[in-house]
Amino acid sequence: DGGITQSPKYLFRKEGQNVTLSCEQNLNHDAMYWYRQDPGQGLRLIYYSQIVNDFQKGDIAEGYSVSREKKESFPLTVTSAQKNPTAFYLCASTPLTGPGYYGYTFGSGTRLTVV
Amino acid sequence: AQSVAQPEDQVNVAEGNPLTVKCTYSVSGNPYLFWYVQYPNRGLQFLLKYITGDNLVKGSYGFEAEFNKSQTSFHLKKPSALVSDSALYFCAVRALNSGNTPLVFGKGTRLSVIA
Repeated sequence: DGGITQSPKYLFRKEGQNVTLSCEQNLNHDAMYWYRQDPGQGLRLIYYSQIVNDFQKGDIAEGYSVSREKKESFPLTVTSAQKNPTAFYLCASTPLTGPGYYGYTFGSGTRLTVV
Repeated sequence: AQSVAQPEDQVNVAEGNPLTVKCTYSVSGNPYLFWYVQYPNRGLQFLLKYITGDNLVKGSYGFEAEFNKSQTSFHLKKPSALVSDSALYFCAVRALNSGNTPLVFGKGTRLSVIA
């Protein structure tokens, strides 16, 4: 079945450590997105990419980095510069043309906790 | 700028009663509007969308939403609530002529259906 796979489901980070969250899709979607979810704050956009080797900052990009070397993959690195990384991270994708254009498909999320 | 407001953090309804989850939006021009549902520790699932045409949109699991341009609203409704409808609901918007800008999400409304 086609879909988006996020891994790991749970991740623990020590202070000062960089961690990478994986997002892979086999839907042949053009665009991919990373959102951060905190209780009561909804979804906030971190980064997005509409084409390979190109990406744009969202509303809360500081302390995060991404790459888009392949169409299928859009990993998110949470760097030590992100002072409050504990949150639920969601990856999404969408085609940019055709009937599926109008909505996103979401992964199941990664819950990151600082220990 | 695009924005979405979900004025209620929590909605409680008795099983079998009708439910409404409110959403208002602000965009330049005509909107694309969406409703998503999230169950605990899961990604968002698509419920329904408004792109153009009939103002009453029917979606998954018996949900529907009414687009009201004059009130800039897109309230989610269901005639008879089920306990299994208890979840977090997100409204999202994008302007029709905004190119491929990302969806903007509301902060979410937690629906609790009581047996």
